[in-house]
Amino acid sequence: QKEVEQDPGPLSVPEGAIVSLNCTYSNSAFQYFMWYRQYSRKGPELLMYTYSSGNKEDGRFTAQVDKSSKYISLFIRDSQPSDSATYLCAMSANAGGTSYGKLTFGQGTILTVHP
Amino acid sequence: DAGVIQSPRHEVTEMGQEVTLRCKPISGHDYLFWYRQTMMRGLELLIYFNNNVPIDDSGMPEDRFSAKMPNASFSTLKIQPSEPRDSAVYFCASSFDLSLYEQYFGPGTRLTVT
Repeated sequence: QKEVEQDPGPLSVPEGAIVSLNCTYSNSAFQYFMWYRQYSRKGPELLMYTYSSGNKEDGRFTAQVDKSSKYISLFIRDSQPSDSATYLCAMSANAGGTSYGKLTFGQGTILTVHP
Repeated sequence: DAGVIQSPRHEVTEMGQEVTLRCKPISGHDYLFWYRQTMMRGLELLIYFNNNVPIDDSGMPEDRFSAKMPNASFSTLKIQPSEPRDSAVYFCASSFDLSLYEQYFGPGTRLTVT
């Protein structure tokens, strides 16, 4: 079993829809949770990060972390065609030693927002 | 800053040949990461360096893979001999010590081994 599981999709939604992307994980040492966005033929770029449990909002994007369920989500409101990309969740234990700085990524979910 | 620079952007080689991928991290970043991305396995960490020293190479698939960082502004990932199953996009990323969750990725090298 992978440490981080993410449904690869693909997910296709109409413009203006609310999008929900999710990841589950098994390593209870994970404390930092990130969402990266990757456009076609580009490298991933950080979209949002959260520490421990709770919600974080940034414009049309909301990240949620539920450590008790080992479940994280990214919501996109009023989705736009420019949001079409692959979204990867990533996690870090930041526990020192060789874990320090090491990110474990999900498989990525391919999202298409059509006009 | 130009961001993380990788070369070449595309590489096509025959099985058994040596392949060298290059990376220039963002100036001032203490950490450098090499990843491999495939449809089947997603984005996998191969190895990472802190201040030019390899910290964790547990993701390196086998002895055919090696990585070096001779100075703060240059790193290489070498595959010798290459095999068709090494075909993937290889990314280099760098980050600054105090915000390790934010890694800056290069554009990647698309490697095809025939």
